[in-house]
Amino acid sequence: GAVVSQHPSWVICKSGTSVKIECRSLDFQATTMFWYRQFPKQSLMLMATSNEGSKATYEQGVEKDKFLINHASLTLSTLTVTSAHPEDSSFYICSARVRGTRDREGYGYTFGSGTRLTVV
Amino acid sequence: AQSVTQLGSHVSVSEGALVLLRCNYSSSVPPYLFWYVQYPNQGLQLLLKYTTGATLVKGINGFEAEFKKSETSFHLTKPSAHMSDAAEYFCAVSGNTGNQFYFGTGTSLTVIP
Repeated sequence: GAVVSQHPSWVICKSGTSVKIECRSLDFQATTMFWYRQFPKQSLMLMATSNEGSKATYEQGVEKDKFLINHASLTLSTLTVTSAHPEDSSFYICSARVRGTRDREGYGYTFGSGTRLTVV
Repeated sequence: AQSVTQLGSHVSVSEGALVLLRCNYSSSVPPYLFWYVQYPNQGLQLLLKYTTGATLVKGINGFEAEFKKSETSFHLTKPSAHMSDAAEYFCAVSGNTGNQFYFGTGTSLTVIP
């Protein structure tokens, strides 16, 4: 089945530094990937939609200059949190849209295992 | 526009009892509906999904859900709860093009021994 590998699983960084999170589709090509943010005890909030070879589409309220998304290939999307601050500490999850292999199965979504970011 | 409402942020059941997690959706187009489970500090794992066809959908770990268009519901059930079912459960909806994907606020399931 479709597998998305997300790395690193956790990271601690100093305030003011930048952190890069990678999301790879291992056995399929993902033309579209999604980045979510999840605060403790809350649901996933879509941050941006990443399309291969083009600029990401950011949701309202998400700073595109702070959360840089690059989708340079069909199997890799990266999220860079620039000049991280403690309030950026959160759980970040990527997902990829996967087309079903059977007729009328439609689309599904497979998720990475998430990255726990702690900014100190 | 699409949205999901999960009634009950916390549900507790005894081991062996019926599990019922409620999900109602709103969608202006025929919806695709999903249930995901999340264990602490992990990503989301797909339990089951409804796209088209049979309205009763069976998923992994003994879970199933029924799409009821008249009630705009997609409740998740399991006949007998197991301790390993304790987790956070998310209902989600998307349109059939998959361009938008919305999660509910989640339901935390506790299983009491």
